[in-house]
Amino acid sequence: SQQGEEDPQALSIQEGENATMNCSYKTSINNLQWYRQNSGRGLVHLILIRSNEREKHSGRLRVTLDTSKKSSSLLITASRAADTASYFCATLTTGANSKLTFGKGITLSVRP
Amino acid sequence: EPEVTQTPSHQVTQMGQEVILRCVPISNHLYFYWYRQILGQKVEFLVSFYNNEISEKSEIFDDQFSVERPDGSNFTLKIRSTKLEDSAMYFCASSLGGGNTGELFFGEGSRLTVL
Repeated sequence: SQQGEEDPQALSIQEGENATMNCSYKTSINNLQWYRQNSGRGLVHLILIRSNEREKHSGRLRVTLDTSKKSSSLLITASRAADTASYFCATLTTGANSKLTFGKGITLSVRP
Repeated sequence: EPEVTQTPSHQVTQMGQEVILRCVPISNHLYFYWYRQILGQKVEFLVSFYNNEISEKSEIFDDQFSVERPDGSNFTLKIRSTKLEDSAMYFCASSLGGGNTGELFFGEGSRLTVL
């Protein structure tokens, strides 16, 4: 598997339901970030969690990080049709040559 | 709200031609990046740039590619002798303190189609 691999690859839910997306990674990280991309558009930063943090909230978003399992989850509560987009986790590795590496993304569809 | 702007939004070129993609990062940002995304695939890191030099580049960023910050505002990606497989969306990004201190701000992308 690659650094920053999300699952599921696609998720379809009803408006009002919660959406949970997972990300696994392989190497040590400095931080992990989640981005959103609407179809054909640029990436928009959602939330950043540092390696010494376990949970973070921002509005309807909740992200967790388990460095022992090298995994993170993004929870979107009370989803809306406007949340329909692709979601990417991105990891910043530690070390001199660190760079932000993106996963393949999760396609979330929220049905009205 | 400050934003990263990219031009052109879409460029069609013939194989073997040179292409320059332009980006205007957020004015007080210090770190600049290019990523690309082939249709339906993952977002791939190409290069990062800080203090007027490349700080990191990927295996994709070979001699065919170059970056430049010709003045205080523009950040360009040049692709010499384009190939069919260079067709992708190219995203420019900037950040104030690098990815370890915060988020990257992305432009809307430049779609490159090589025929």
